Amino acid sequence: AQRVTQPEKLLSVFKGAPVELKCNYSYSGSPELFWYVQYSRQRLQLLLRHISRESIKGFTADLNKGETSFHLKKPFAQEEDSAMYYCALRPSSNTGKLIFGQGTTLQVKP
Amino acid sequence: NAGVTQTPKFQVLKTGQSMTLQCAQDMNHEYMSWYRQDPGMGLRLIHYSVGAGITDQGEVPNGYNVSRSTTEDFPLRLLSAAPSQTSVYFCASTQGAGGYTFGSGTRLTVV
Repeated sequence: AQRVTQPEKLLSVFKGAPVELKCNYSYSGSPELFWYVQYSRQRLQLLLRHISRESIKGFTADLNKGETSFHLKKPFAQEEDSAMYYCALRPSSNTGKLIFGQGTTLQVKP
Repeated sequence: NAGVTQTPKFQVLKTGQSMTLQCAQDMNHEYMSWYRQDPGMGLRLIHYSVGAGITDQGEVPNGYNVSRSTTEDFPLRLLSAAPSQTSVYFCASTQGAGGYTFGSGTRLTVV
């Protein structure tokens, strides 16, 4: 079964604290993994792809195939990071399917 | 370059009414999808398309219909609206490898 699990509905941290948003997936093949961010009532925006291994807005994510995880990390949270974060899995590149986790709301307090 | 455009932004329907949510992209993307977003459930795939003339069902297809007569357009039809279809609907597109580009969403209320 193809599944993405984000175990935390809400993660609340203080400004300047480290952040880790957890994502675990279930898939037998080699998936593409993404993190999307949604600021209040706006459209989803691509934050990271595991293939590109880049850092956007200070966020990084490493694919751990052994633990089937793709956790999102940032060393120092900023108030503007407050948003909903979705982890997503694409089973293969020739499909239109993108499977999302339930989402985690990140709240960064001043 | 407008990206992915969804209309309308807001809609209120009465139970039993039908309507079409429009989605258009100007990036010549092959793949397009429709999702619904509900609190605590993330985004769930309704229908998707891998090219003009080809569509397939996602996780929650019941009560919805799609067609893909052109590369640019991927309308979502609600056949007979029900209160359970109250949700925010997002259309997205991609060209093979790479992330999806999302539309700004349609907030639908069925009373």
